Amino acid sequence: DVKVTQSSRYLVKRTGEKVFLECVQDMDHENMFWYRQDPGLGLRLIYFSYDVKMKEKGDIPEGYSVSREKKERFSLILESASTNQTSMYLCATQTGGYGYTFGSGTRLTVV
Amino acid sequence: GDSVTQMEGPVTLSEEAFLTINCTYTATGYPSLFWYVQYPGEGLQLLLKATKADDKGSNKGFEATYRKETTSFHLEKGSVQVSDSAVYFCALSGSGGYQKVTFGTGTKLQVIP
Repeated sequence: DVKVTQSSRYLVKRTGEKVFLECVQDMDHENMFWYRQDPGLGLRLIYFSYDVKMKEKGDIPEGYSVSREKKERFSLILESASTNQTSMYLCATQTGGYGYTFGSGTRLTVV
Repeated sequence: GDSVTQMEGPVTLSEEAFLTINCTYTATGYPSLFWYVQYPGEGLQLLLKATKADDKGSNKGFEATYRKETTSFHLEKGSVQVSDSAVYFCALSGSGGYQKVTFGTGTKLQVIP
């Protein structure tokens, strides 16, 4: 089974800090995604990548950037954290049959 | 663009009751359809999928049938258990090159003993 590992389950950061959320997969999947999940809004796509050094904006990229230097690792960067970025962040990789495999999520609180 | 609409929750059922969670979609072409489940404090897990019209996906007693004529993919289970309490997401994967998945807003299910 594909395993998707997110480095932290819970994070607390201060407003203005630069925040890195890491995601690592143990299979050779090209496509990786970052979502945020908020009550009443469901999952919203932030960024995705379909190859090393490739990235595409999703529906809500403002305030975020990403990095994919190696195929197995996809990092989400909050350039200057703000309180409205408090959320659950979910990383996913694309498996066969077009479904996703998700990591366990990182619950980020910005104070 | 693609969209998924699922019934509002929360849904509260007694153990052994019959479950239906409605899901309808809008998409061009022939999407693949999914149900994901999220247990408290966890990420989403794929529950079942269907890739073409009239396909039935099934897993752990849950079923859903891909109905192209009604653009629906309703989730059903004949007898729910307390352990089924979770949030359920309907989703579709379009025919775009990167196979982006579009999610519904989720339906929270609570099963009481």
